[in-house]
Amino acid sequence: GESVGLHLPTLSVQEGDNSIINCAYSNSASDYFIWYKQESGKGPQFIIDIRSNMDKRQGQRVTVLLNKTVKHLSLQIAATQPGDSAVYFCADKSRVFGAGTILRVKS
Amino acid sequence: DAGVIQSPRHEVTEMGQEVTLRCKPISGHNSLFWYRQTMMRGLELLIYFNNNVPIDDSGMPEDRFSAKMPNASFSTLKIQPSEPRDSAVYFCASSLESQHTEAFFGQGTRLTVV
Repeated sequence: GESVGLHLPTLSVQEGDNSIINCAYSNSASDYFIWYKQESGKGPQFIIDIRSNMDKRQGQRVTVLLNKTVKHLSLQIAATQPGDSAVYFCADKSRVFGAGTILRVKS
Repeated sequence: DAGVIQSPRHEVTEMGQEVTLRCKPISGHNSLFWYRQTMMRGLELLIYFNNNVPIDDSGMPEDRFSAKMPNASFSTLKIQPSEPRDSAVYFCASSLESQHTEAFFGQGTRLTVV
């Protein structure tokens, strides 16, 4: 049957592998970006942020890369675990969220 | 701190009725945001307040929607009259500052208008 609604990109990874989730932005003036994780039935939860004067920022098992030239962000998750399964959003300082990416971790 | 607290968690109402969603931000945060999440449109910013003052309400869908923040510890989002297409999960979030710090989200209110 016909499906209606946003078709979020889905990334399926094997447990233990690294995951890379991408996000493009359009506002050249954006100088602050945030990655959020949303698990089913919960509100988005902060993962990591980055300011535009940086190209890379690392957290625990997560790294965010910022390429201002092509207006692109990526979130890298090392050694992906089943608990990482969620929808991941990027947002800028205007608090507008991207559509999101579904991450599914296979055990 | 208990985090951002929203009430009710679930609300079912009949079309035409008034609905009021409530939010208590994290103590000390001076920015508050209301979002709506649906399968069709994803996560949409409706309005945000800074120091209790509405700064940007361009995301509020229509005049049926209104939001207030009478003090630093409380905000409401009201829909009057409600319509079935308002059915969604409504999130409230707060942050220390409006643009360069992360926002902390509540658990959301799932609204169903029948």
